[in-house]
Order: sequence, then C-alpha cells, then structure tokens
Amino acid sequence: DTAVSQTPKYLVTQMGNDKSIKCEQNLGHDTMYWYKQDSKKFLKIMFSYNNKELIINETVPNRFSPKSPDKAHLNLHINSLELGDSAVYFCASRTKLAGDPETQYFGPGTRLLVL
Amino acid sequence: GQNIDQPTEMTATEGAIVQINCTYQTSGFNGLFWYQQHAGEAPTFLSYNVLDGLEEKGRFSSFLSRSKGYSYLLLKELQMKDSASYLCAVSTYPTGANNLFFGTGTRLTVIP
Repeated sequence: DTAVSQTPKYLVTQMGNDKSIKCEQNLGHDTMYWYKQDSKKFLKIMFSYNNKELIINETVPNRFSPKSPDKAHLNLHINSLELGDSAVYFCASRTKLAGDPETQYFGPGTRLLVL
Repeated sequence: GQNIDQPTEMTATEGAIVQINCTYQTSGFNGLFWYQQHAGEAPTFLSYNVLDGLEEKGRFSSFLSRSKGYSYLLLKELQMKDSASYLCAVSTYPTGANNLFFGTGTRLTVIP
C-alpha cells in the first residue's frame, strides 16, 4: 500500500489554465504539507495543514490554494498558471504522536510543466 | 528566516567513506534531518538529530552540534546505489507544524 500518493504524476498544461493536484495519505497522520522543487532541485515548503487548519503559508502567491476535505487529503489548486510554476510538487505528511514525532513522509511528486 | 548551507556536489569512490557537511542559521531550531533523494524520486528519510552527538544507523551516521549550527552525514562502505542527492533540513517551531526547511542538497556521485 502506498503511504502518501499524489495524482497526477505528470501534468502538462497551458499558461493561464487552472489545475489541481491531489494528495492522499493512509498513515493516519495529523499534518500534511506541500513542497515545490524547482529546476535547481531546491525543495521549498509552500503550505502545512494540521487538523484541517492552515498553519503557515510561506509567501506563496494567492493563485495557489490548499484544500483539505478531510484529514487524509490535502489538494493543491493552482489558478492562472504561469511559466514559473513549472516544477515538481511534493506532498508530505507527518504524525504528532510520540515515537516518530518528526519524520515527514513524501509522496512521489507531480511534475508540472506549463507551456 | 533560515539559512542552510551544504556543498553542491561531491564525488567519492565505491567502498570509501564520505562526509557531507551542513551548516545552518535559524530561529526556533527543533531538530535536523537528513533525506536522500534519487533522481526523479521523492526524498526519503535517513536520520534525525535533536541532541548534540552522533546517531548511527547502519552504514549511515549523522552528527549534530547545536551550539555551532553544524551537522554532517557520514556514509561508510559506499555503494554505487548511494549516488543521490542528500538534503539537510532544519525543523523549526513554534508554528506547531514543525516545518522543514531544506538546504539546496548535495549531489553525491559514487564512482567505481
């Protein structure tokens, strides 16, 4: 069973379009995250969600909006896509329970290409 | 803010030992992680240090000095499959989410 899954794996779209990336975790974790990894492989946090509440938004443009229908899902909606949005987007999750309180588990990534 | 530095690239020989350094300056430091990322794949957890000292896990060890803002990842008995990027990441609080802030990663190439 996949612990953290993302769909789609690849996404090619035109500038100006609106798209969504889905993320699901079956680990029962409390907190989920979205990261962006650019062409230079720099991995940067975008959002974190804890119990359906947005904890922090790292100065991401408001064209990006996370949506969490339940604790197991954190989807990423992107409006008016721009060329600079081309990157790999990783979803991750983390538990707050004792024993393994810190480790984040990453999904396989969604490779977004904006033309 | 956070400032995390690590070398961009390193090359080492199969069977050898390599040390990848990471220095950081951050507020609300909680702990330090090392992740491994093979090309085209997701980062996977390697180690976590919250107290000063050395944590050993098989061929991999990680060291932390909180007072110096310094960590290293030590890889022993290098294998070809260890060729990957190694990401140093700092965990911070008090946002409650213990967000991870990553360095730019060190791309390690293991040669025969």
